[in-house]
Amino acid sequence: DAKTTQPTSMDCAEGRAANLPCNHSTISGNEYVYWYRQIHSQGPQYIIHGLKNNETNEMASLIITEDRKSSTLILPHATLRDTAVYYCIVRVATGLTGGGNKLTFGTGTQLKVEL
Amino acid sequence: ETGVTQTPRHLVMGMTNKKSLKCEQHLGHNAMYWYKQSAKKPLELMFVYSLEERVENNSVPSRFSPECPNSSHLFLHLHTLQPEDSALYLCASSQEGRGTTLGYTFGSGTRLTVV
Repeated sequence: DAKTTQPTSMDCAEGRAANLPCNHSTISGNEYVYWYRQIHSQGPQYIIHGLKNNETNEMASLIITEDRKSSTLILPHATLRDTAVYYCIVRVATGLTGGGNKLTFGTGTQLKVEL
Repeated sequence: ETGVTQTPRHLVMGMTNKKSLKCEQHLGHNAMYWYKQSAKKPLELMFVYSLEERVENNSVPSRFSPECPNSSHLFLHLHTLQPEDSALYLCASSQEGRGTTLGYTFGSGTRLTVV
């Protein structure tokens, strides 16, 4: 799976949009971009994923550049409860066997939402 | 509650003890995973089970022994652990198959302390 690069930490004021960038310049055509977050000492939580098109759900929006070499996760109105480590992961969606199933986590971005 | 339940939430064990961690998923998924998260380190994938068959073992020491009796249950048997094995152990499940792109669902983890 392609490697990703994220800033180590970011701050955001409550109520403002949090824009978390991710670089994945070596992404392959069949690799999806996934975002997860981990609130302190809990299990990671799936947020959103996409292949080429921008995606939106009740939690966030995912903007993927046309060349697919980078993406941005947008939390439109950040709250204190959004303070967490955010992970950007690229992964192939494959069959059951082989190494394609695995989700490999990096160090992510520590987002701190403040009053 | 995410649909993946891990027990116990906390475990303290001596180096000579034998204990087991349990994971149960209620999502009808066909793949399950064990991850380890040590303090200030990224999540490390330990084992992958697909259709109850172990398909990946990331060079985990033999003092960790996984068991997957059916597609809903996953165990991690522990014996003669070392203090450096103290960590958060996370279980996850997913539905895998050609073209499937859904994300992983994680449990809340077991916080293990080896004394």
